[in-house]
Amino acid sequence: QVQLVQSGSELKKPGASVKVSCKASGYTFTSYAMNWVRQAPGQGLEWMGWINTNTGNPTYAQGFTGRFVFSLDTSVSTAYLQISSLKAEDTAVYYCARSGGDFDYWGQGTLVTVSS
Amino acid sequence: QSVLTQPPSVSAAPGQKVTISCSGSSSNIGNNYVSWYQQLPGTAPKLLIYDNNKRPSGIPDRFSGSKSGTSATLGITGLQTGDEADYYCGTWDSSLSAYWVFGGGTKLTVL
Repeated sequence: QVQLVQSGSELKKPGASVKVSCKASGYTFTSYAMNWVRQAPGQGLEWMGWINTNTGNPTYAQGFTGRFVFSLDTSVSTAYLQISSLKAEDTAVYYCARSGGDFDYWGQGTLVTVSS
Repeated sequence: QSVLTQPPSVSAAPGQKVTISCSGSSSNIGNNYVSWYQQLPGTAPKLLIYDNNKRPSGIPDRFSGSKSGTSATLGITGLQTGDEADYYCGTWDSSLSAYWVFGGGTKLTVL
């Protein structure tokens, strides 16, 4: 069965970096795009962008350029989200979600807390 | 402020029916498929409806979707307490370059 398993919660200080992983199983990794979605505490879902798992080409939504980087390691069917120069407002749950149009499978989410 | 507009909350009694609206424009709902997601408290979102009105395997037929023009609607019949969740609509928007948009979410309370 399709599964997306994300790395565990992170507590970081402002200015630090974090790398969240999303390991896929149960399907051919390169057959579907991978998206990243942010959910700040008590807020709705916000699409961050997606990465083409065939070419590795990322597309970032407005507001997620510069400090956010999507990457892949297709040898282990894993997508990564790296956030640099962390700010308090980056505190959120980050989800990966597979898409072939809509978002049919989601990771369990990774809570990133940024606090001094 | 989301590009797609949903009511912040809806409520109904167990066994009743409820609808959740999602209003957009010609650059998003008007020309693209709509999907709906259910987020139970403390869990990841789950795909409920795709391509406007299709249900993934395992989703009961109590859940339905429809689209007309630049609006979409999620319907839930035979409400159960376990349906209490946040519901989000989503679709692609092609106004400048293709990007995905979610509605602001609707909190369903089953009284």
